[in-house]
Amino acid sequence: DVKVTQSSRYLVKRTGEKVFLECVQDMDHENMFWYRQDPGLGLRLIYFSYDVKMKEKGDIPEGYSVSREKKERFSLILESASTNQTSMYLCATLTSSYEQYFGPGTRLTVT
Amino acid sequence: GQNIDQPTEMTATEGAIVQINCTYQTSGFNGLFWYQQHAGEAPTFLSYNVLDGLEEKGRFSSFLSRSKGYSYLLLKELQMKDSASYLCAALDQTGANNLFFGTGTRLTVIP
Repeated sequence: DVKVTQSSRYLVKRTGEKVFLECVQDMDHENMFWYRQDPGLGLRLIYFSYDVKMKEKGDIPEGYSVSREKKERFSLILESASTNQTSMYLCATLTSSYEQYFGPGTRLTVT
Repeated sequence: GQNIDQPTEMTATEGAIVQINCTYQTSGFNGLFWYQQHAGEAPTFLSYNVLDGLEEKGRFSSFLSRSKGYSYLLLKELQMKDSASYLCAALDQTGANNLFFGTGTRLTVIP
């Protein structure tokens, strides 16, 4: 079974803090994604990576950065958290047969 | 650019059949995904269509017409547990694999 794990299910941070969201997968998938999901807006792609040290901006990269130093780990970084970054963050991988597996999500609240 | 459209909400009766439609426009289209997402949970993969036609998987079937930019998810013998959001997503292979999601269709199954 493919397993995608995220470091926290719930996180509360203050405005201006630096926030790290970690995602780890155990199936050697090359493609990894970070999305945020907000009511009425659906899933929006922040960044994705198709290989170690490779990254591509998605639809809404502003205010975020990512790191992929190892194949199994894809980190999302909020350099200076703001209240409009309060959201559900979902990490996902994509297999070579185009099946996408999501992690359980991290609900981030920025106060 | 990319554009994915699906209805916001649908209601159907237990035991009935429901069809959820999705239209898409994306430049490097290479397949259409459907996901199920229960409230507060991550999306789970249902189907992937890359060729025209109908794919059946138990009570769920998914159809694709590439020439029309159209897909639907068909749910038969509806059960109360099928109440969830259903997300349509188009795979774009312009550059690297990238999935573009619609905002989701919230299906409510009533007795």
